[in-house]
Parts: sequence; C-alpha cells; structure tokens
Amino acid sequence: GAVVSQHPSWVICKSGTSVKIECRSLDFQATTMFWYRQFPKQSLMLMATSNEGSKATYEQGVEKDKFLINHASLTLSTLTVTSAHPEDSSFYICSALTGAGTDTQYFGPGTRLTVL
Amino acid sequence: SQQGEEDPQALSIQEGENATMNCSYKTSINNLQWYRQNSGRGLVHLILIRSNEREKHSGRLRVTLDTSKKSSSLLITASRAADTASYFCATDAGGYNKLIFGAGTRLAVHP
Repeated sequence: GAVVSQHPSWVICKSGTSVKIECRSLDFQATTMFWYRQFPKQSLMLMATSNEGSKATYEQGVEKDKFLINHASLTLSTLTVTSAHPEDSSFYICSALTGAGTDTQYFGPGTRLTVL
Repeated sequence: SQQGEEDPQALSIQEGENATMNCSYKTSINNLQWYRQNSGRGLVHLILIRSNEREKHSGRLRVTLDTSKKSSSLLITASRAADTASYFCATDAGGYNKLIFGAGTRLAVHP
C-alpha cells in the first residue's frame, strides 16, 4: 500500500515551453502532497505544500507564478513549470501523506526534467 | 533552508561490514526519519523515530536519537552490495508535516 506515482519519469523540453508533472496516490487519498526538487548529488529541497481544494503554500524563494501547483482531487497533484529555462533542469519529486495525524510521507519515483 | 547535516558525506565499505551514518539538526523536533534513495530514483522510507524514543530497530537497521545533542545515527549491519544508495535524514522541524532533509550520505558497498 501507499504507492505514489509520477508521470512522466523524464522529460526533455525546449527553453520557454511549459511542462506539467503529475503526482498520483494510487491506493490512498492524499489531502496533502509535497513537491521537492533535487539537484545532482544534493539533497531534497521542499518547494511547496499542496493541499486538496486550496492554494499551494510555497517555500521562501520559490516563484509561485513559475511553478504552478494544482491539487484538484484527493489523488492527483500537478506541478507545471512555466516558461522553463535550463536552470530549471532538475529532479522533481513529490510525496504524499496518507492521512491526518500520520507522519510518514511516501515518495514518488521522481521526474527528471531537462530544459535545452 | 536545509537544517540537517550528515556525515560522512560519502562512505565506502566492503560487504559484510557495518555502516554508520550520522545526522545533526538545529531545532526541536517531534520526529526524525531516515530515507534511502537509489541513484536517480525516489525515496524509500526506512524508519521513523519519535523525540521520546532513543533507539529503534528494523531488520538490519538501527537508529538512535539523542535530542540533547540534536543528533541521530543510522547503523546498517552486515551490509550488502544492494545497500549502495544515498541515505537522508529528515526532521519535521518545518512544521505542518514539512520535512527538512539533511545533506545525505552516499554509501557504496563493494562486493
């Protein structure tokens, strides 16, 4: 149980285009999902907290107009990187909480974004 | 900002040896978690230890927590080549279930 998927697993796009990444909880409902980015050989940095039915909460320094997050259902959150640039190339990982009062986050397999 | 520091940054051992990784954090926590990440993959949850616990075991894993020193350690006993991965500690110091990750330890276990 507690499986989280991401799609796509990797994507290559041209500079200036937008890319959407999906995060799904497959066997549970997730009221809260989190989005992280990870640069090579570095740790995970939290970008934003996504709550179903409400606006995402962004961490300091993360541009909300550049990284659009939508959590329209209890099993799906999307991250859209708008007008992508090469410096946005990174590994994007989502995670989900299985329910209120739980501490363990279950992580998706990640999406490798390369912007040319 | 990251609040956790881990050492060593990299660790190379032979199969069968034990591997110890350390994590330090800066502020009060309710719990600390350890995750494993294989190269280019997502994170796998290993163990969660609460602030009122001092030690926890799961198979070949042993985690300790010293809240007075704001530090934790992860011990992998009888390591295997399949244990080769990066290991991260994460605390809930961010509040609202937000995790703050340490820098990670890259473990290489050689056959």
